[in-house]
Amino acid sequence: NAGVTQTPKFQVLKTGQSMTLQCAQDMNHEYMSWYRQDPGMGLRLIHYSVGAGITDQGEVPNGYNVSRSTTEDFPLRLLSAAPSQTSVYFCASGLGGFGPEAFFGQGTRLTVV
Amino acid sequence: TQLLEQSPQFLSIQEGENLTVYCNSSSVFSSLQWYRQEPGEGPVLLVTVVTGGEVKKLKRLTFQFGDARKDSSLHITAAQPGDTGLYLCAGTRQYNAGGTSYGKLTFGQGTILTVHP
Repeated sequence: NAGVTQTPKFQVLKTGQSMTLQCAQDMNHEYMSWYRQDPGMGLRLIHYSVGAGITDQGEVPNGYNVSRSTTEDFPLRLLSAAPSQTSVYFCASGLGGFGPEAFFGQGTRLTVV
Repeated sequence: TQLLEQSPQFLSIQEGENLTVYCNSSSVFSSLQWYRQEPGEGPVLLVTVVTGGEVKKLKRLTFQFGDARKDSSLHITAAQPGDTGLYLCAGTRQYNAGGTSYGKLTFGQGTILTVHP
């Protein structure tokens, strides 16, 4: 049972570099989202998608782009990495209806130096 | 401004003690979830409460949703070292877009629980 798979697990970037965090789910969930987790802040929503071709901004979208060309994949792009983007990133998928249960990946720990 | 206020932020107790974690908001949620997260892993769902006043039990864990669906609590009886972890509450609010209804989760800050043997 793969569930939600995130790659890479760890990444170090230099300021100004770009990269893509990958997320794939095999549960045929319509709803996918990206969160970042910082100490004392819980999880904050970056971007989300309610289906292929449909994305929208969450609470902290600046500096990040997403696209959803298939139901399975929801990559997160960092356009020009900044130290403030040092965080742990989680991808989640779930059923988009009433009372969704979110299934999370194992996270990507990103450090921007 | 945090939409969901979770307290306490840290809790360090001895094995066998009882504890309660609170999750409060001024907003109404259609449902509320509690997650547990271990180091290096993603959060894992413990329970979803949907109806105001609802109480759910999961072994030694008791979850309650407030009557007005604005707050929730997690009570652990006779805590064990295996209960150690980060506990997160998350509220769901419903949105409609293009004829589709979907929920968005808002998370509290989390409670780091340490249970000492």
